[in-house]
Amino acid sequence: GAVVSQHPSWVICKSGTSVKIECRSLDFQATTMFWYRQFPKQSLMLMATSNEGSKATYEQGVEKDKFLINHASLTLSTLTVTSAHPEDSSFYICSASTGAGGNSPLHFGNGTRLTVT
Amino acid sequence: TQLLEQSPQFLSIQEGENLTVYCNSSSVFSSLQWYRQEPGEGPVLLVTVVTGGEVKKLKRLTFQFGDARKDSSLHITAAQPGDTGLYLCAGVTTGANNLFFGTGTRLTVIP
Repeated sequence: GAVVSQHPSWVICKSGTSVKIECRSLDFQATTMFWYRQFPKQSLMLMATSNEGSKATYEQGVEKDKFLINHASLTLSTLTVTSAHPEDSSFYICSASTGAGGNSPLHFGNGTRLTVT
Repeated sequence: TQLLEQSPQFLSIQEGENLTVYCNSSSVFSSLQWYRQEPGEGPVLLVTVVTGGEVKKLKRLTFQFGDARKDSSLHITAAQPGDTGLYLCAGVTTGANNLFFGTGTRLTVIP
């Protein structure tokens, strides 16, 4: 089956530093990748949608200059949390789709737990 | 943002009991999915429903899509401790390619 790998699975960083999270589709080409954030005991909130080779589309309230998304190839998207603060501590999850339509199957990574001290 | 409200938010039941989780919205969805998520992991797809009124069964789990495609339910028969987890509905609106998640239902099945 389709596998999506996220790296790292957890990271601790100091306030003010930047952290990069990778999302890779291992055995398929992902036309579209999605980034979600999940706070403890809450649901997943869509942050942004990225298509290979184009700028990401951010959801309302998500700062594009703070959460930099790069979808440089059909198998890799990265999310960089810049100048991280403790309130950015969260569980970040990516998903990848083989198609452009909303009904294309989504495959989720196992998430990255970010803790900012 | 399409709001998908799930109820109940938390549910704690004894092994062997039945339960139903509801997912409601004022928006119409072209498809609706149900996921289960374990702590520290990504969500795992359980089922996708696309036709209004559709009913799908997955062993002890029964999923139904509302006739108007605005709501869905998940019924679990004879719950087991292995069913414990966070259940999430997620919908795709017509013409969009984004999946929006519901507010979640945290289920605990006590042995």
